[in-house]
Amino acid sequence: LAKTTQPISMDSYEGQEVNITCSHNNIATNDYITWYQQFPSQGPRFIIQGYKTKVTNEVASLFIPADRKSSTLSLPRVSLSDTAVYYCLVGDVNAGGTSYGKLTFGQGTILTVHP
Amino acid sequence: SAVISQKPSRDICQRGTSLTIQCQVDSQVTMMFWYRQQPGQSLTLIATANQGSEATYESGFVIDKFPISRPNLTFSTLTVSNLSPEDSSIYLCTTQQGENTGELFFGEGSRLTVL
Repeated sequence: LAKTTQPISMDSYEGQEVNITCSHNNIATNDYITWYQQFPSQGPRFIIQGYKTKVTNEVASLFIPADRKSSTLSLPRVSLSDTAVYYCLVGDVNAGGTSYGKLTFGQGTILTVHP
Repeated sequence: SAVISQKPSRDICQRGTSLTIQCQVDSQVTMMFWYRQQPGQSLTLIATANQGSEATYESGFVIDKFPISRPNLTFSTLTVSNLSPEDSSIYLCTTQQGENTGELFFGEGSRLTVL
């Protein structure tokens, strides 16, 4: 299973854009990159998923370079409520894949947004 | 999106006893997963539970300690046996939405404290 490396913590201020980069040098051909957000006393919540290039949804963007050995989660104009732990995961999301569903959580990045 | 309910949300147990955690999904799902999150740590996959077959355990987790049932496509239980203080963790049930999206839906978790 591909291992991920993220910064342990990041600090930002309200209204700023936050970019969290994740390294996954051993990503496999069938692996997708998924980011989750976790607040204290809650289960992780899906943010965004991608395979290559750029993906954007209503809450974030995900940038993936051509070699797919890293990815960057971009949170535009963060607010205090974005303070959470952010996890980058890589894994095979296709049924029948050898690592289907076996998503390995790294240590995550503790993002603290200050007023 | 799948809605997952876990019981109990929290419990305090004595050393040597067992606790069974229930997980209910609001739709039929093929695979369910059990994770553990120790205090201040990331999530670790315990096992994969498929309906009609034995659960598949990850390295470091054994059936005698963490027996799992999966009687139907909407329900699963995880028992943590012969409890010790080291078992104090949050136990999370999750399932993968659809066959190819890779989005995991988590319950709120069950916080176990062993005295």
